[in-house]
Amino acid sequence: DQQVKQNSPSLSVQEGRISILNCDYTNSMFDYFLWYKKYPAEGPTFLISISSIKDKNEDGRFTVFLNKSAKHLSLHIVPSQPGDSAVYFCAASSPGNEKLTFGTGTRLTIIP
Amino acid sequence: NAGVTQTPKFQVLKTGQSMTLQCAQDMNHEYMSWYRQDPGMGLRLIHYSVGAGITDQGEVPNGYNVSRSTTEDFPLRLLSAAPSQTSVYFCASSWDWAGNSPLHFGNGTRLTVT
Repeated sequence: DQQVKQNSPSLSVQEGRISILNCDYTNSMFDYFLWYKKYPAEGPTFLISISSIKDKNEDGRFTVFLNKSAKHLSLHIVPSQPGDSAVYFCAASSPGNEKLTFGTGTRLTIIP
Repeated sequence: NAGVTQTPKFQVLKTGQSMTLQCAQDMNHEYMSWYRQDPGMGLRLIHYSVGAGITDQGEVPNGYNVSRSTTEDFPLRLLSAAPSQTSVYFCASSWDWAGNSPLHFGNGTRLTVT
């Protein structure tokens, strides 16, 4: 039972345009969401997070939006740069739970 | 400051062999965990630890064993390797439990079981 779903395995975006990566979840107890970025042959690195008390969090070119009623979050990257080409994982946790549940990942390719 | 260090980077095992994947962190993090990454499956939690002497099972613990005798080290043992354990393994640590603070990952161990 995949509680965190990333339905697009891959996405290609022109350099300079907006990249939008989507993530859906089924567990209504999830209250903290994170995005990780992974380059080949490296471990994932933390990118941005959002608590369920907010609906938006911004950090430079990266913005995460949370729609609790739809159980949906998205990561916006503006403008997209070649260095953004990577696999992006969304992850979620519930209160007091030491475990983090990851999605299956979306491979983003930025086309120069 | 090395962060999270995993060894070895690559390993090939025959079915039935055992081995230990090493993980060490120098950030004095209490929380450590092991994940495996498989195509189309994302990252799945194997075992985790909230401090020295305390471990617990994750989503896919069967065939793996862990211990946490020090804050710095969290080795993962494969008791009798099977082809289904062919995967990339990541160790991670954080200052607080995984849902409350970002994880710092090592660069992974690519394991092939033949």
